[in-house]
Amino acid sequence: DILLTQSPAILSVSPGERVSFSCRASQNIGTSIHWYQQRTNGSPRLLIKYASESISGIPSRFSGSGSGTDFTLTINSVESEDIANYYCQQSDSWPMFTFGSGTRLEIK
Amino acid sequence: QVQLQQSGAELAKPGASVKMSCKASGYTFTRYWMHWIKQRPGQGLEWIGYINPNTGYNEYNEKFKDRATLTADKSSSTAYMRLSSLTSEDSAVYYCAHWDGGFTYWGQGTLVTVSA
Repeated sequence: DILLTQSPAILSVSPGERVSFSCRASQNIGTSIHWYQQRTNGSPRLLIKYASESISGIPSRFSGSGSGTDFTLTINSVESEDIANYYCQQSDSWPMFTFGSGTRLEIK
Repeated sequence: QVQLQQSGAELAKPGASVKMSCKASGYTFTRYWMHWIKQRPGQGLEWIGYINPNTGYNEYNEKFKDRATLTADKSSSTAYMRLSSLTSEDSAVYYCAHWDGGFTYWGQGTLVTVSA
């Protein structure tokens, strides 16, 4: 199985700051990584697909990068509504998908 | 707009089974595979399996293949998941999700509580 490691478990930033989330795969997965936001008591929401492709309706402050084993989700200028858990998910081993354990974003 | 409407919360006893539903609207049901994903309280996400609503073909995560059964009814655009031999480890929220290069649409989740 492809293991995804997200770090750190918790990020705490002030409004307006830039924040980056890390996701590392246990083997080369190309760009088959997708990012989701999950607010408290909500369903996950797709933010970025295939490492860097934007999704319609998602604010432009969300962006993704990386390939191979190291991936990053970046939020430029964090807003209070961004408080959530963020998960990465790989689709390289279709259809045996796996998710990372998540990073919680807190606002100072 | 695309909507996935899931059935309500379930309370089940250990050893029993539950069957939950996911009614799709706003798109052609048979065009997209439907996936099911588990989330235990305060935990991450775990992929269970998927079904091709057009053919009924499905595949499962090895961890769930003996206890999860995925079906689909084209006439009502509804996907179903039955989970059997329940234990406390099955207490979780279960989501259906539509894959279109990423899980683009999600249901609101069905909470399953397993308790004697």
